[in-house]
Amino acid sequence: ELKVEQNPLFLSMQEGKNYTIYCNYSTTSDRLYWYRQDPGKSLESLFVLLSNGAVKQEGRLMASLDTKARLSTLHITAAVHDLSATYFCAVSNTGNQFYFGTGTSLTVIP
Amino acid sequence: DTGVSQDPRHKITKRGQNVTFRCDPISEHNRLYWYRQTLGQGPEFLTYFQNEAQLEKSRLLSDRFSAERPKGSFSTLEIQRTEQGDSAMYLCASIRAGGTDTQYFGPGTRLTVL
Repeated sequence: ELKVEQNPLFLSMQEGKNYTIYCNYSTTSDRLYWYRQDPGKSLESLFVLLSNGAVKQEGRLMASLDTKARLSTLHITAAVHDLSATYFCAVSNTGNQFYFGTGTSLTVIP
Repeated sequence: DTGVSQDPRHKITKRGQNVTFRCDPISEHNRLYWYRQTLGQGPEFLTYFQNEAQLEKSRLLSDRFSAERPKGSFSTLEIQRTEQGDSAMYLCASIRAGGTDTQYFGPGTRLTVL
């Protein structure tokens, strides 16, 4: 079974600071997804990374994918309070089943 | 609002009762997924449909769980003889054919088994 690990699990950061969330997965996959979940809410798609070296950016978030290292990163630049949420990465094996990490709970402190 | 709806949003039941949840995906999406999410965990795959065909089920899915998508549109997930360990958020997601496999999630049904 494909395993997906995220770290850190919990992240408390000050507004204006930068930080990176890491997502490692155990077997070959050429697609990686990042989702955001606010407390009590469902998941919202952030990024889809479709190939090795892919980089996507939206606002203060930038995601990248290294399929050889089986690693994706989600970089947060100059954090603001609105970014407080839980972030999940997910990978698929054959494109049919999706495996999610345990999530990184981000709290941005003023 | 992603366009995926789920009903009910909350369900409280007693142990041993049967419950059924409904998911209405985005209309042109042919793939539909069910997940279970417990506190502090990521969504756990339960099963998925392509049109009306149920193509995969998680090995973790007990025989008490069954899902249908009779006309390739809405889907139902039934849990028979509920147990306290079934308490969780049940999420539905749909995917458009020929896209990037981005999942559009519904708001979820929170099940509490007393």
